Amino acid sequence: GIQVEQSPPDLILQEGANSTLRCNFSDSVNNLQWFHQNPWGQLINLFYIPSGTKQNGRLSATTVATERYSLLYISSSQTTDSGVYFCAVEMLGGGADGLTFGKGTHLIIQP
Amino acid sequence: NAGVTQTPKFQVLKTGQSMTLQCAQDMNHNSMYWYRQDPGMGLRLIYYSASEGTTDKGEVPNGYNVSRLNKREFSLRLESAAPSQTSVYFCASKTGTFYGYTFGSGTRLTVV
Repeated sequence: GIQVEQSPPDLILQEGANSTLRCNFSDSVNNLQWFHQNPWGQLINLFYIPSGTKQNGRLSATTVATERYSLLYISSSQTTDSGVYFCAVEMLGGGADGLTFGKGTHLIIQP
Repeated sequence: NAGVTQTPKFQVLKTGQSMTLQCAQDMNHNSMYWYRQDPGMGLRLIYYSASEGTTDKGEVPNGYNVSRLNKREFSLRLESAAPSQTSVYFCASKTGTFYGYTFGSGTRLTVV
């Protein structure tokens, strides 16, 4: 099956800092999503981004499908950004076969 | 618009007991999914239903059964719970190939 690798595994930053999270995947994809899992365990959908660039407030994401990677940018970090960020992909041609998740980046924003 | 609703939110079972986790979506989505999340890991697919009337195994199906009751509802059953099934369970749905997935808020299950 498709492999998804996220880096870094852990990241500790001061409030106000910027960060870049990376997701590499091993095969062509239909679907790539970024999720934020907050400290209460809720999975929040940040971006549906199989290719191209999107922005939502302080967050933006870029997927370069031909090179099989995606980046999530967080600017001016706030303590509420803390949690685990997951990248998940659905293999091209996989139809409705489900997402494969990376192991996540654990982000801690210190005040 | 509730999205994907899971019940219960928390459950403690004794080894060998059975239970059913319920999931319902109100978005008229075709496909539904059950995932489990273990500490320090991403989510892993247990079973999915690409459309009403079909179900298929995912990456970790052993010890589970599912039922796609209708288009809205997809349940996950543990027939004889084991401590290794202690996990957080997430249900998800989506409407088609080029659309994103929507997740429920999870069920935290402990088997003692």
